[in-house]
Amino acid sequence: GPKVLQIPSHQIIDMGQMVTLNCDPVSNHLYFYWYKQILGQQMEFLVNFYNGKVMEKSKLFKDQFSVERPDGSYFTLKIQPTALEDSAVYFCASSPTGASAETLYFGSGTRLTVL
Amino acid sequence: AQKVTQTQTSISVMEKTTVTMDCVYETRDSSYFLFWYKQTASGEIVFLIRQDSYKKENATEGHYSLNFQKPKSSIGLIITATQIEDSAVYFCAMREAISNTNKVVFGTGTRLQVLP
Repeated sequence: GPKVLQIPSHQIIDMGQMVTLNCDPVSNHLYFYWYKQILGQQMEFLVNFYNGKVMEKSKLFKDQFSVERPDGSYFTLKIQPTALEDSAVYFCASSPTGASAETLYFGSGTRLTVL
Repeated sequence: AQKVTQTQTSISVMEKTTVTMDCVYETRDSSYFLFWYKQTASGEIVFLIRQDSYKKENATEGHYSLNFQKPKSSIGLIITATQIEDSAVYFCAMREAISNTNKVVFGTGTRLQVLP
């Protein structure tokens, strides 16, 4: 089936550094999401993105977070600067048009460890 | 505001039996969509089944089916003839139809262990 690719699968960085998580959504999908999961528990919504704009962001999407998808390339989540509490697995997802009935297609996640 | 609650943290069942996982939700919208996803041990998250709020019939998909009780805001997932490979974490999720942001809210997940 359709695949969402996330690069890298693991990232270890020192607190205060910048990190960029990359997501290659399903081809022709227009709606993109980032979710944060800590210790295999709840999938917490961070942000969704459509047509070059953030549509909604949660309280977890701090000022240090930003997303973009320049020229149809990777959909990225940037954290600058990172904090210890940013350690988690970050999942990217996409859907064709963002219609309410559509399912989300998830990547395999990027495990971020902030030291 | 949307909210999805899964009270069962972990369930263990014997292989080939039937298991039901509970989920209740909160929404102000009259129209919404309910989803179940499965997260395997490798971390992969896959879609299993969907229930549309305006449909009275319970959705079915292979050995997955749903018990949709709209007055109780409940959407249970039923897995019949469980197999070892059904062992995973199961997430209930909801998206409001009228929302203009398409946020999908997830529950905390239920870990299912299928024993031989």
